[in-house]
Order: sequence, then structure tokens, then C-alpha cells
Amino acid sequence: DVKVTQSSRYLVKRTGEKVFLECVQDMDHENMFWYRQDPGLGLRLIYFSYDVKMKEKGDIPEGYSVSREKKERFSLILESASTNQTSMYLCASTRTGGEGTDTQYFGPGTRLTVL
Amino acid sequence: GNSVTQMEGPVTLSEEAFLTINCTYTATGYPSLFWYVQYPGEGLQLLLKATKADDKGSNKGFEATYRKETTSFHLEKGSVQVSDSAVYFCALSTTGGSYIPTFGRGTSLIVHP
Repeated sequence: DVKVTQSSRYLVKRTGEKVFLECVQDMDHENMFWYRQDPGLGLRLIYFSYDVKMKEKGDIPEGYSVSREKKERFSLILESASTNQTSMYLCASTRTGGEGTDTQYFGPGTRLTVL
Repeated sequence: GNSVTQMEGPVTLSEEAFLTINCTYTATGYPSLFWYVQYPGEGLQLLLKATKADDKGSNKGFEATYRKETTSFHLEKGSVQVSDSAVYFCALSTTGGSYIPTFGRGTSLIVHP
């Protein structure tokens, strides 16, 4: 089974702090994604990466950056956290090519609160 | 562009009741369709999927049929259990590129004993 892990389940940070959210997958997937989930808004794509050191903006990249130095790890960075970034953050991965290419595998989520 | 519309929740049912959660979509090309489920405190996981018209996806007693003529992919279960309480997301992805999915906003299901 694919396993996607996220570094923290719950995180509390102060406004202005730099925040790192880490995601690791163990199935050699090429594609990785960061979403935020808010009540009534569903999932919104922040950034995705289809290869090491490659990244693409999603629908709501403002205030965020990402890093992918190794294939298995995809980091989301909040350069200066703000209260409107309080949310549930979900990481996902998919493979490229072959059966099941279009199925997303999700981590358990990180619930971030910015005070 | 692509979009997914699903019924708003919460949907509240008694145990053993019949469940339908409606989902309709707009897409260019021929999308694959999915239902994902999110149990309390967890991430999303694939529940079922269908990749072409008239395909039926099924898993854990849930079913959904890919209806191209009505652009729909409604989720059904004949007899729900308390353990089915969760948020259900309809989604689609189109071939080509990185298969970035489009998600609906989610429907919360609450099942009472």
C-alpha cells in the first residue's frame, strides 16, 4: 500500500513565523500535491510538483512556496504565517503512467492554527 | 474548464437507510470519475472510480455509474451503517498532463443508530 505521511497532525504557530510542512511518500511517485481544505470550500490546490526540483502553481499559491529536493519529499513553506492560513493542509501523490495513474493518495493532513 | 457539483450536506440518515449523494460534472474530453471518502480526523482515500461511460464503480457496498448522457456520477448505498459517517468528495480528472483532479466541495454524511 502507498503510504503518504505528514510531519505533524496538529501545529500552532504565531503570525509572522516561517512554517514548514513536510510530506513524504514511499511508493516512488513522480507527482506530489499540496491542498488546503476549508469548510464549505472543499479542496483547493496550492502547488504541485511532477518531478524533483520542478513545481507548478495551483489555484491559490499566494503566501506559499514549495521545495522538492528529493523524489519522496515535498515541503510546503509559509514564509510569514497569517491568520487566514489557518486551515487543514493535505498532501497527495500520484504515479505517472500505467494503471492507477489518476488516483490520488493522501496523507492524514496537518491542522495548522495561526494565532 | 472542468467543474464538479455535488449536493450540499449534511445528509442525515438512520442506520440501514438508502443513501444517494448526487454529483454532476462538466469537463472537456473524457474524464475519469471518482468518489473519495474522508473519515473524521483522516485524509481522503479513494472509495471507487469509473473511467468510461456506463462503467460502474463499486466498493464497500457503495456504487456509482458513469452517466455520460446526464454528466452524472451519483453515489448510492443500499443500507448505510454508523461507520459510513464521513465526508464524501466527487472528483474528476482528464487524461493528459499531470492528472490534476477537480474536486467537488464535499458532502457530509451523518448516520444515526
